[in-house]
Amino acid sequence: DSGVTQTPKHLITATGQRVTLRCSPRSGDLSVYWYQQSLDQGLQFLIQYYNGEERAKGNILERFSAQQFPDLHSELNLSSLELGDSALYFCASSVQRDRGNTGELFFGEGSRLTVL
Amino acid sequence: QKEVEQDPGPLSVPEGAIVSLNCTYSNSAFQYFMWYRQYSRKGPELLMYTYSSGNKEDGRFTAQVDKSSKYISLFIRDSQPSDSATYLCAMSANTGGFKTIFGAGTRLFVKA
Repeated sequence: DSGVTQTPKHLITATGQRVTLRCSPRSGDLSVYWYQQSLDQGLQFLIQYYNGEERAKGNILERFSAQQFPDLHSELNLSSLELGDSALYFCASSVQRDRGNTGELFFGEGSRLTVL
Repeated sequence: QKEVEQDPGPLSVPEGAIVSLNCTYSNSAFQYFMWYRQYSRKGPELLMYTYSSGNKEDGRFTAQVDKSSKYISLFIRDSQPSDSATYLCAMSANTGGFKTIFGAGTRLFVKA
């Protein structure tokens, strides 16, 4: 058990809908990262938050947004869903050093999104 | 060209074999190198972590980093069926907010 909690574990929805994925980081970790994993794209970095502020952005679509709340949990919002958004969405957390990160990420079990 | 290249396999070996997994990268700024193991339908778990060049050993696992060649390796000795998983290399740089980049992952099957 990594200590990172993600909900829901599974989600099935229709095209055009909006969903919210939730992540609670390990106790004491200030940074939260979101990754998308699909069969043909591997593990793709979406976005990173540190102590409530956006710190880095990857290949995140404009239809997707995220935020980190004062209690450090994070939510990833996916809207206007398309079939191609079906994937595993992972949240990871780490202890952020003062300068960047060292890459030691601890992953949750993921949220499997199926868009029909 | 991808920043991190990793052969996706699959790689199939008999139990007890020595397994060699490799990644190459293009960004010379990378300083932190990691290997993650991911079992089917589970989140990746950190297996090995190395800073800069050199070797690191942990039980049956050895990680090697050659920054001059931009090449990292993971060796698994006496491989077991329980080692069957996808192994992802990952790397990051020590600059504020720099994201960790993952390789595509190599699927490993260890046959009993």
